[in-house]
Amino acid sequence: DAKTTQPPSMDCAEGRAANLPCNHSTISGNEYVYWYRQIHSQGPQYIIHGLKNNETNEMASLIITEDRKSSTLILPHATLRDTAVYYCIVRVGPAGTASKLTFGTGTRLQVTL
Amino acid sequence: GAGVSQTPSNKVTEKGKYVELRCDPISGHTALYWYRQSLGQGPEFLIYFQGTGAADDSGLPNDRFFAVRPEGSVSTLKIQRTERGDSAVYLCASSLNGRNTEAFFGQGTRLTVV
Repeated sequence: DAKTTQPPSMDCAEGRAANLPCNHSTISGNEYVYWYRQIHSQGPQYIIHGLKNNETNEMASLIITEDRKSSTLILPHATLRDTAVYYCIVRVGPAGTASKLTFGTGTRLQVTL
Repeated sequence: GAGVSQTPSNKVTEKGKYVELRCDPISGHTALYWYRQSLGQGPEFLIYFQGTGAADDSGLPNDRFFAVRPEGSVSTLKIQRTERGDSAVYLCASSLNGRNTEAFFGQGTRLTVV
């Protein structure tokens, strides 16, 4: 699986959009970008994934650059409950044979009042 | 329950002892993963099962670690001759099938070796 690079920490004011970047310059053509988050003392939680088109669900939006070498997870209106470590992971997508998720150290997002 | 269940939630053991950690995946999920997480680090892959067989055990650190899933549902992670460095949170996850669908994680077992 391709390696990802994320900033170690970010702050965001409550109610503002949180934009979390991720670099994955060695991503392969069949690899998707997945985002998980881990709230303190809980297991990781799936957020969203995408291949090359932008994706949106009830939790977040995922913007992937045209060359697919980087992406941004957007939490449109961050709340205190969004304070967590956010992990960007690349792996073969849902049609591929099951494989491990390789976690880095992620971005610690602190949402403040 | 509907989620991945791990027991015990906390385990304290003495150095050199044997421990077993249990994972009950979501019913019907054929893929099951074990990870461990040290303080300040991301989860580290240990092993994953597809059904009853270990499809990838490349993350097991040494032969003191072993995992089984005899009926393709519940899995047990076994650690022999525990060392203080084994102290971590052990996480289990399951996903629906043999394709890379969303993985659901349990709350983890916090293992402390004293």
